[in-house]
Amino acid sequence: QKEVEQNSGPLSVPEGAIASLNCTYSDRGSQSFFWYRQYSGKSPELIMSIYSNGDKEDGRFTAQLNKASQYVSLLIRDSQPSDSATYLCAVKKTSYDKVIFGPGTSLSVIP
Amino acid sequence: GAVVSQHPSWVICKSGTSVKIECRSLDFQATTMFWYRQFPKQSLMLMATSNEGSKATYEQGVEKDKFLINHASLTLSTLTVTSAHPEDSSFYICSAWNRDSLYEQYFGPGTRLTVT
Repeated sequence: QKEVEQNSGPLSVPEGAIASLNCTYSDRGSQSFFWYRQYSGKSPELIMSIYSNGDKEDGRFTAQLNKASQYVSLLIRDSQPSDSATYLCAVKKTSYDKVIFGPGTSLSVIP
Repeated sequence: GAVVSQHPSWVICKSGTSVKIECRSLDFQATTMFWYRQFPKQSLMLMATSNEGSKATYEQGVEKDKFLINHASLTLSTLTVTSAHPEDSSFYICSAWNRDSLYEQYFGPGTRLTVT
């Protein structure tokens, strides 16, 4: 079982819809969870961090964490074509551990 | 968020030569930096973890004598690709921990290396 798993996609949503990206992780002791966005040919950009169960909202983005189910998700409301990118889920066990990245989910927002 | 810079953003070199890539944390001190490599349409691959003032820790399968890493200060880490070959052509990305932000990890813009 891989440490961090994501559907590779591509996930296609129409402009204005909600995009839902999912991630599961294997290490139950993980404490820190991140979502990165990576445009083609560019480096990853940190867009959300979440550390406790529940929802965390930042603008059009909402991260959801359920440690009991070992599940993290990212919702993008009012999706825009500029949101088209690969979204990487990342997990850390403690602050001092290296980040473990998932393979990424490719999102395409159709105008 | 924290800012990480890389230089150069792209470089073309001839086979057999060496190339140095610099990674700097601009507005925070980075005791730990990471070097990744990414081939087209593939996932990030961690090459090594660089700690200020000590030897880098390389991931399995990464040749430490070929990819020399130096982390001489709290804001600068360098990666030198020695005796480069065409198969070393890739996108090299550095990343740094910001210990002031619960060790969130921020990426530099990347360096695209082409070896001819």
